[in-house]
Amino acid sequence: EAGVTQFPSHSVIEKGQTVTLRCDPISGHDNLYWYRRVMGKEIKFLLHFVKESKQDESGMPNNRFLAERTGGTYSTLKVQPAELEDSGVYFCASSFRNTGELFFGEGSRLTVL
Amino acid sequence: AQRVTQPEKLLSVFKGAPVELKCNYSYSGSPELFWYVQYSRQRLQLLLRHISRESIKGFTADLNKGETSFHLKKPFAQEEDSAMYYCAPHSGYSTLTFGKGTMLLVSP
Repeated sequence: EAGVTQFPSHSVIEKGQTVTLRCDPISGHDNLYWYRRVMGKEIKFLLHFVKESKQDESGMPNNRFLAERTGGTYSTLKVQPAELEDSGVYFCASSFRNTGELFFGEGSRLTVL
Repeated sequence: AQRVTQPEKLLSVFKGAPVELKCNYSYSGSPELFWYVQYSRQRLQLLLRHISRESIKGFTADLNKGETSFHLKKPFAQEEDSAMYYCAPHSGYSTLTFGKGTMLLVSP
């Protein structure tokens, strides 16, 4: 069974540019989560989808971040325009139910120069 | 405010020594507690959850509601235990919250 996959694994962009990260959850998992780990800091929650609906987006840092999950399958996280402080590793995770048992992708490392 | 504290950023021990990774939490309600682990070049994965009361890879964790702690323990550390460990509370009306993590280094 395929696990959670994320693309790209690493992205290097300049400040002001746009980046779109993609996450494919485990098939059948209605719950999809985005987290990020900024350099040297803890893993912070960004948002939670249940199917195509945003269940909780309280962790989204500002309106430069836009997450979508059209059709309730894969999800994208767009950062536009990117700032230096957005550099970090963005993790996607999925679960069948919201029980705390999450399956993580390998992460997408974003470097903003 | 909901908070989880892992006081040690780094814990370095020798192979065969006992290990205890500390976790304290401040959470409303009765959260469920998890430990997640990330080995080098691997994805973050669930290690154990308090509700299952099981031992995984020799690790155990006891939930102490009085002290609001969920320390992770192993009697004899192995080199392959070297990894980043995250304590993570979860409650039904919110999502998983991670502590800052403790890097465990087990030397031969």
